[in-house]
Amino acid sequence: AQTVTQSQPEMSVQEAETVTLSCTYDTSESDYYLFWYKQPPSRQMILVIRQEAYKQQNATENRFSVNFQKAAKSFSLKISDSQLGDAAMYFCAYRSRYNNDMRFGAGTRLTVKP
Amino acid sequence: NAGVTQTPKFQVLKTGQSMTLQCAQDMNHEYMSWYRQDPGMGLRLIHYSVGAGITDQGEVPNGYNVSRSTTEDFPLRLLSAAPSQTSVYFCASSSRGGYGYTFGSGTRLTVV
Repeated sequence: AQTVTQSQPEMSVQEAETVTLSCTYDTSESDYYLFWYKQPPSRQMILVIRQEAYKQQNATENRFSVNFQKAAKSFSLKISDSQLGDAAMYFCAYRSRYNNDMRFGAGTRLTVKP
Repeated sequence: NAGVTQTPKFQVLKTGQSMTLQCAQDMNHEYMSWYRQDPGMGLRLIHYSVGAGITDQGEVPNGYNVSRSTTEDFPLRLLSAAPSQTSVYFCASSSRGGYGYTFGSGTRLTVV
C-alpha cells in the first residue's frame, strides 16, 4: 500500500513571508494524483491544490504552488505572501488511479505570526 | 448545494453500544469513503466504495461495517464501540477522474 510522509509536524512563518511544507510518498505505480488539503480550526477539509503525476508542470493556485519531483517521490507545497488565514493543519494526500482510495500523511501544523 | 452531509456532529457512546454514522451526498459521486482522524496520525481510511453495492476495506476496518445500497448514502456502523474508536470521523465523496474528495464536516465520537 502507498504511504505518505510529512516529516514536519509543525512549521511557522512570518506574515507576508514564504514557507514550504514537505511531503514524500512511496508507490510502485506510475499514474496517480497528489493533493494538499487545508484543515482550519473549523475542522473542515479544504482542497488547496492538485497534481497529476503524468504532468511535469507544477500546479499553481494563486499563492499556493507545488514542487513535484516524480523520480524523488517528493511533493512540497509553497505558500507565498503568507496570511493569517493560512494558519491551519496541512495534509498531503496520494490517490491511486487504479483503486481510487486516497491516503494521507500525518499533517503539518502551520502557524502564521503577525 | 448540500455537498456531503454527515450526522450527527457529536456523539458520546458507552463501551459496547452500537451506532450508525450517516453520510449522504447529492453530487452523484461514484466514490465514497470513511476516514478517522487521530492526533499525529492524519486521516486513515476505514472503508471505501466505488459504486452502489461495492465496498472494500481500507487501512483500519476492524470494528466497522459499511454498505452502499444507493449512490447517495454510505453509512458507517460501529458494531460494539470501544474507547479506541474515540476519534473524529469524516465521510468523503468523489467523481471519477482523479479529482479530490469532497469532505463532510465530520463527527466527533467519544466512547467512554
